[in-house]
Amino acid sequence: KNQVEQSPQSLIILEGKNCTLQCNYTVSPFSNLRWYKQDTGRGPVSLTIMTFSENTKSNGRYTATLDADTKQSSLHITASQLSDSASYICVVSSGDNFNKFYFGSGTKLNVKP
Amino acid sequence: DADVTQTPRNRITKTGKRIMLECSQTKGHDRMYWYRQDPGLGLRLIYYSFDVKDINKGEISDGYSVSRQAQAKFSLSLESAIPNQTALYFCATLGTGEGTGELFFGEGSRLTVL
Repeated sequence: KNQVEQSPQSLIILEGKNCTLQCNYTVSPFSNLRWYKQDTGRGPVSLTIMTFSENTKSNGRYTATLDADTKQSSLHITASQLSDSASYICVVSSGDNFNKFYFGSGTKLNVKP
Repeated sequence: DADVTQTPRNRITKTGKRIMLECSQTKGHDRMYWYRQDPGLGLRLIYYSFDVKDINKGEISDGYSVSRQAQAKFSLSLESAIPNQTALYFCATLGTGEGTGELFFGEGSRLTVL
């Protein structure tokens, strides 16, 4: 069964600290993996994309990793800011021409001052 | 203006009423989607359309219908709303430029069925 599982479900950290969010997937065939950020009351917005051949990709303070062998991805946030408080959703696409998307249930991050 | 616009943003209605959620986009994308989001669950696909003449059921289409009036417009209808359809609904378009498959979401429509 094609699934995407994220951990932890929720996380509270202090401003300035780092954190790492996890995504494990069983989707096959694999096309790519994206991390989306969803602010409260807003639609998700793409942060990074990982293709099969990529191991690491950075977008400012966000760094995503992908291990295609173990089917795991992580999103590392460095020097967290209050504006990082949001839900982070892992989405795996599958099939030719992006025919299917599989969504994780998200990690809700709360950054406290 | 937002690339993907949903109306209404919030709606409270009663059981049995007909409700329409509308979505319009200026991205020029052919593919459009309606998703439902419930607390603790991932986004679930209701319906999707690859062009004006194409309508496809998603994993939770029962109780919903859609209409693709034009490339830019995709509406979702609840013919007879029930309380367990209370949720946050998202419209999305799919960009396939450069082969990356990025979903662009609207701001969401929060529906409450009493």
